Amino acid sequence: EPEVTQTPSHQVTQMGQEVILRCVPISNHLYFYWYRQILGQKVEFLVSFYNNEISEKSEIFDDQFSVERPDGSNFTLKIRSTKLEDSAMYFCASRLDGGTEAFFGQGTRLTVV
Amino acid sequence: GIQVEQSPPDLILQEGANSTLRCNFSDSVNNLQWFHQNPWGQLINLFYIPSGTKQNGRLSATTVATERYSLLYISSSQTTDSGVYFCAVPSNTGTASKLTFGTGTRLQVTL
Repeated sequence: EPEVTQTPSHQVTQMGQEVILRCVPISNHLYFYWYRQILGQKVEFLVSFYNNEISEKSEIFDDQFSVERPDGSNFTLKIRSTKLEDSAMYFCASRLDGGTEAFFGQGTRLTVV
Repeated sequence: GIQVEQSPPDLILQEGANSTLRCNFSDSVNNLQWFHQNPWGQLINLFYIPSGTKQNGRLSATTVATERYSLLYISSSQTTDSGVYFCAVPSNTGTASKLTFGTGTRLQVTL
């Protein structure tokens, strides 16, 4: 069964460093998303991406965040200068164009020290 | 935006017991998903259930879209059912249909 895969599963980084979280969405999906979950809280939307551009973003998604689809298979989230409060689980999701069900990856746990 | 509330917030069960988790949402939706977040933090898709009832083993879900709620039933619970259960519904704003997650129900199944 096709699935969304995320790498790495856990990343530890020093405050101020740049990190790139990677996702491989399901191959025929055209909508891509990043969500974030701070420990003990609910899952929050960060950004959606369609047709090689951001279609919607939340107020959390400020200038330190960026997304990219560098090739036909990967979808990345970059955090330019990490802060302690960026520590969270980050989930990637994808869905079909015209579909309504979103498929989530297993998440990347980011720890900023 | 749409509001999604789940109840109860916490639930402790003995192994073998049954439970019902509830998800209320504030606006009409064309889709609802249930997820299980395991103790390692991974989100597992359980159900995609815009309306009606679906069953998968010991789990089943019912969505009554006209009354803006969904129920998740867990029968004969096992310790591996422990974790947090989230429902999520699409936002009606924008074309990308981002999901809004509920507040979650934390389930602990004990021996």
